[in-house]
Amino acid sequence: EPEVTQTPSHQVTQMGQEVILRCVPISNHLYFYWYRQILGQKVEFLVSFYNNEISEKSEIFDDQFSVERPDGSNFTLKIRSTKLEDSAMYFCASSESRLAGGPGANVLTFGAGSRLTVL
Amino acid sequence: RKEVEQDPGPFNVPEGATVAFNCTYSNSASQSFFWYRQDCRKEPKLLMSVYSSGNEDGRFTAQLNRASQYISLLIRDSKLSDSATYLCVVNADRYSSASKIIFGSGTRLSIRP
Repeated sequence: EPEVTQTPSHQVTQMGQEVILRCVPISNHLYFYWYRQILGQKVEFLVSFYNNEISEKSEIFDDQFSVERPDGSNFTLKIRSTKLEDSAMYFCASSESRLAGGPGANVLTFGAGSRLTVL
Repeated sequence: RKEVEQDPGPFNVPEGATVAFNCTYSNSASQSFFWYRQDCRKEPKLLMSVYSSGNEDGRFTAQLNRASQYISLLIRDSKLSDSATYLCVVNADRYSSASKIIFGSGTRLSIRP
């Protein structure tokens, strides 16, 4: 079964450091996403990406965050200067097409996540 | 009212029991509905989509009640491996805005031998 892969599985960093989280979406998927989940809380949308540009972003996705698709397979999330409150699990996801509503709507396939701990 | 609300549980039931939980949503324009399962410190995985007419997949049955704005998940003959957190996910937008896909906080289910 095709899967979304993420690296690293766990990263520990000092506050103020830059972090890059990497994702390889499913190969025939065209839409990519980053979500985060703070321990014990719900999954929150960060950003969606299509055709080499950001489609949408949430309030969480401020100037400290950026995404990139540097080649044909990787999709990265960069946090420029990490804060303590950035500690969370970051999930990459992809979908075959747009997440339109209605019956038969496309669904998200998540990667196993990258756990970020900011000290 | 929260956009998507779930009873956090935990629901603690014996193996073989039937268990059901609901999820309410606030936006009456919501278009599609899903149940995801999330094991501890793992990624959410799609359990099933929820269709207007209700749908069943083995021991799992999902129902949608648009009038009362809730979806439900029923698990029959529960197994130890069903222990997980069940996330209600609602897509409020017909025109595919990813930011309108809202996750509930999840209901924890624990099956005991």
